[in-house]
Amino acid sequence: KAGVTQTPRYLIKTRGQQVTLSCSPISGHRSVSWYQQTPGQGLQFLFEYFSETQRNKGNFPGRFSGRQFSNSRSEMNVSTLELGDSALYLCASSLGQGARETQYFGPGTRLLVL
Amino acid sequence: AQSVTQLGSHVSVSEGALVLLRCNYSSSVPPYLFWYVQYPNQGLQLLLKYTSAATLVKGINGFEAEFKKSETSFHLTKPSAHMSDAAEYFCAVSDQVDDMRFGAGTRLTVKP
Repeated sequence: KAGVTQTPRYLIKTRGQQVTLSCSPISGHRSVSWYQQTPGQGLQFLFEYFSETQRNKGNFPGRFSGRQFSNSRSEMNVSTLELGDSALYLCASSLGQGARETQYFGPGTRLLVL
Repeated sequence: AQSVTQLGSHVSVSEGALVLLRCNYSSSVPPYLFWYVQYPNQGLQLLLKYTSAATLVKGINGFEAEFKKSETSFHLTKPSAHMSDAAEYFCAVSDQVDDMRFGAGTRLTVKP
């Protein structure tokens, strides 16, 4: 069974631009979560989608948004990029919702904002 | 609100020595606890998880962790370190209310 895939793997943008990251979950998984990983802040939860609905949201500004499609694939969008948005963005999928569900992570998209 | 504290941002052991990575959690309800490993330029891989079935949890690659409610700890151990264990390790907590929270991570170095 294929794992979680994320595209693109690497991205370079300039301040003020916007970016869209894509995540394809493991087949059959309906929940997708997004995380931002930086050396300074560590791993921080962005949001979670389940059955095309945002179920939970972390403490990030409105410039960060996402969505989930009927096939469970998810996209994350960051508008008006700032230097501080440079990070590894990780997507994780799980079979269902809930605290006991195991999250399986993709390799991440490394975003560099210049 | 739940949180995780990993004691020691860097741990160095010799090959063949015991690995002990410390994790303490805070949760207002019975938690689910996880250990993940991250190799350079890769995502996180689940090592093991605690879901209240048993306090001693065995994971992949010879790792195990023991849930101690009285100490609010979930330390990760491996009897004998291997060079391939060098990586960053993250402890995470999840409960019925909040999203998953990760610790700051512990970078494990294994010396030959």
